[in-house]
Amino acid sequence: RKEVEQDPGPFNVPEGATVAFNCTYSNSASQSFFWYRQDCRKEPKLLMSVYSSGNEDGRFTAQLNRASQYISLLIRDSKLSDSATYLCAVNIGGSYIPTFGRGTSLIVHP
Amino acid sequence: SQTIHQWPATLVQPVGSPLSLECTVEGTSNPNLYWYRQAAGRGLQLLFYSVGIGQISSEVPQNLSASRPQDRQFILSSKKLLLSDSGFYLCAWSLGHPAAEQYFGPGTRLTVT
Repeated sequence: RKEVEQDPGPFNVPEGATVAFNCTYSNSASQSFFWYRQDCRKEPKLLMSVYSSGNEDGRFTAQLNRASQYISLLIRDSKLSDSATYLCAVNIGGSYIPTFGRGTSLIVHP
Repeated sequence: SQTIHQWPATLVQPVGSPLSLECTVEGTSNPNLYWYRQAAGRGLQLLFYSVGIGQISSEVPQNLSASRPQDRQFILSSKKLLLSDSGFYLCAWSLGHPAAEQYFGPGTRLTVT
């Protein structure tokens, strides 16, 4: 089993739709969790950190489920500009090195 | 505010030629620094990381090397490039231990011909 797994997609949704991605992790010692957005041929950019209590930033909501060992990202009212690949990253406690998932591709169409 | 610079943005090199990619961070001290490679359509592969000047940890044995001559400078090198070295090279920084969120540079797209 891979340490961090994501459904590669693509998720193809119309504008205005709500879409959710999950990211599962295998190490129960994982302590820090993040979502990144990567546009085509660009660098990943931090979208949001994921806290135990969840985290909301505008149309984006991230949640952590420790019992089932996954994090989620919910995007409401999808925009064309949300089209990108969404990467999750997980840090095991005490580590300098995050483990990245391979990303989920989102395509928002008119 | 902190910024991270990488250059060059694109590079086309013949097989067997040397490589030097540079990354610098501004606006912070003692960052953790990372080199990643992303092959076309693939995930991020961690190549090296450094938690301080002169401290380099290698994650993947290959014909690449890294150096950190100054606190906010990280260099990726190769003496002889291989075709398989083609890819998108990303430098990133973070702060603290354990490391918090990472911030990436704009990347160098390397094509080895």
